[in-house]
Amino acid sequence: SQQGEEDPQALSIQEGENATMNCSYKTSINNLQWYRQNSGRGLVHLILIRSNEREKHSGRLRVTLDTSKKSSSLLITASRAADTASYFCATDAAGSARQLTFGSGTQLTVLP
Amino acid sequence: DTGVSQDPRHKITKRGQNVTFRCDPISEHNRLYWYRQTLGQGPEFLTYFQNEAQLEKSRLLSDRFSAERPKGSFSTLEIQRTEQGDSAMYLCALPGPEKLFFGSGTQLSVL
Repeated sequence: SQQGEEDPQALSIQEGENATMNCSYKTSINNLQWYRQNSGRGLVHLILIRSNEREKHSGRLRVTLDTSKKSSSLLITASRAADTASYFCATDAAGSARQLTFGSGTQLTVLP
Repeated sequence: DTGVSQDPRHKITKRGQNVTFRCDPISEHNRLYWYRQTLGQGPEFLTYFQNEAQLEKSRLLSDRFSAERPKGSFSTLEIQRTEQGDSAMYLCALPGPEKLFFGSGTQLSVL
């Protein structure tokens, strides 16, 4: 079953703009991860944030985590057409043997 | 290159037929995961192996589904008597440090 919802379901922006995607989850977690999926392909890991962290950066990516609200956000700055993809959050719960539970994803379209 | 090869990339079958997918890790991994992804949704866990042993199965894995990992290397996922609801992308994944590496998946279409 899906862990939670992602918001928005779809997002369309112009190249150079920032894109923000949100994720909510339901259970206690060890960490939260974000993955990217190009159409018809497998998922690629982008960034991980641990449950005791509040913010993390990697290149143009910024992830926040609010465990009290069970929510996370992914910010992509200075977007490029090549960022067009689906983005999924995934939670790694305690005792899960690293079985990830994914959200329903945000389809990001970056227009050139 | 994620280190995971899946075959075939696409499979079209008629309802009621059996299908088998294969996942080949390029290097040795103790664990191997199968996920299913339907259109517009995130992947959902199906099952995982620790070496040859299948340790956990999701409720999504009905009796028509069977997975094997005979020598602790490659794995197969078979669906018997396919139904239209089985149409999905079937993804194999290997564990990395605190992440999963996914193959490109097998896209199954049941007509």
